[in-house]
Order: sequence, then C-alpha cells, then structure tokens
Amino acid sequence: GENVEQHPSTLSVQEGDSAVIKCTYSDSASNYFPWYKQELGKGPQLIIDIRSNVGEKKDQRIAVTLNKTAKHFSLHITETQPEDSAVYFCAATLLDSSYKLIFGSGTRLLVRP
Amino acid sequence: NAGVTQTPKFRILKIGQSMTLQCTQDMNHNYMYWYRQDPGMGLKLIYYSVGAGITDKGEVPNGYNVSRSTTEDFPLRLELAAPSQTSVYFCASTQRRAGANVLTFGAGSRLTVL
Repeated sequence: GENVEQHPSTLSVQEGDSAVIKCTYSDSASNYFPWYKQELGKGPQLIIDIRSNVGEKKDQRIAVTLNKTAKHFSLHITETQPEDSAVYFCAATLLDSSYKLIFGSGTRLLVRP
Repeated sequence: NAGVTQTPKFRILKIGQSMTLQCTQDMNHNYMYWYRQDPGMGLKLIYYSVGAGITDKGEVPNGYNVSRSTTEDFPLRLELAAPSQTSVYFCASTQRRAGANVLTFGAGSRLTVL
C-alpha cells in the first residue's frame, strides 16, 4: 500500500519569509496529491492539490510542485503571515473507485511576527 | 448545511469498555472515512465506505468496527477499549466525481482510555 513521509515535523519562520514542506510517496501508481491545513481544534481543510499530469500548481501565495520520477512533492508558502501558523498534511492516493487518501505525519508551521 | 457532525466531542473510557463514535453528514456524500490522529503521527485511515452497505479496512482497522446502513451515517464502534486507542478521531466525507475529491472533515472526537 501507499506510504507517505513528510518533513520537517516542525518549521519556524519569520513573518514574510518562505516555508517549504516536502513529502515522498512510495506507490508509483498514485496520481493525486492534496495538501490539507489543520488549525488548532479543527478538522483539516484542503488548501491545494495537484494531479500527476501537472508539475506545478499555484494559488496566490501557495504553490505545490511534483516530481513523479523521484516520487516527491512539496508545498511552498511565500510571504508567510501569522495566520499561516497551523499543521500541514500532505497526502497521496490513486484516483480510483476506492479513493483511500493516505496522509503524511504532518508539519507544524509557526510564523513568528 | 451542518457538514460533517461528530459526537461526542470528548469521552473518557475505562479499559475494556465499548463505545460508538457517531458521524453523520448532510451533503449526500457517497464516500465516508474514519481517521485517527495521534500526536506527531499524522492521520491514519481506520475504515472507509464508498456507499451504503459497503465498507473496507484502512491502515489501522484492528480493534474497530464500522457499518454504513444509510448514506448519511457512518458510526465507528470500539470494542474492548485499550490505552492504545487514546487518540483524536476524525470522520470525513466526499462526493467522488471527476474533478471533485475534497474531503470534508468533522471537528473531531477526543477519546481517552484509562
């Protein structure tokens, strides 16, 4: 089955700096890679996703890159703000009838004012 | 719309007790999931369902059971609770279709087994 590794487990940046979180996946058949953000006391929420037929996707200050050959993908947050402080999860799956989304272990991002 | 509703929010169990975590969604989603979140360990898939009457195991199903008798409800049953089941449990749902794969999560149920 799929296994997703995520690094780093914690990340502290100064407001305005960039943050990068990296994930690797094991199943070369996986073709869908979402990122979820979890704020304190809440359930995770999708912030951006990418499919395997695309190498990069951007949404304002957030971007995700995918390297299928190396089986890794990354989340990039530019111009970080205090409200970006949260736990971020990457995930991977094959978009088939079962749709079992397997998550990484999470990264706690702290943006210092 | 309420989205995904989980009850209870908090519960303390003694070792060996049983309980059911309730999950209901009002979005007519066909897929539903149960995850557990241990500190620093991310989200682990326990069970999932692709529709009423259909369930399947995820990564960590031992010690749990589920049922899906209706589209709306997906309860998670813990039999003979153990300290290792102390965790935060999240229910999620999605309407699988082309271009729409977003999971909507509930607020979580924090379970402590003593």
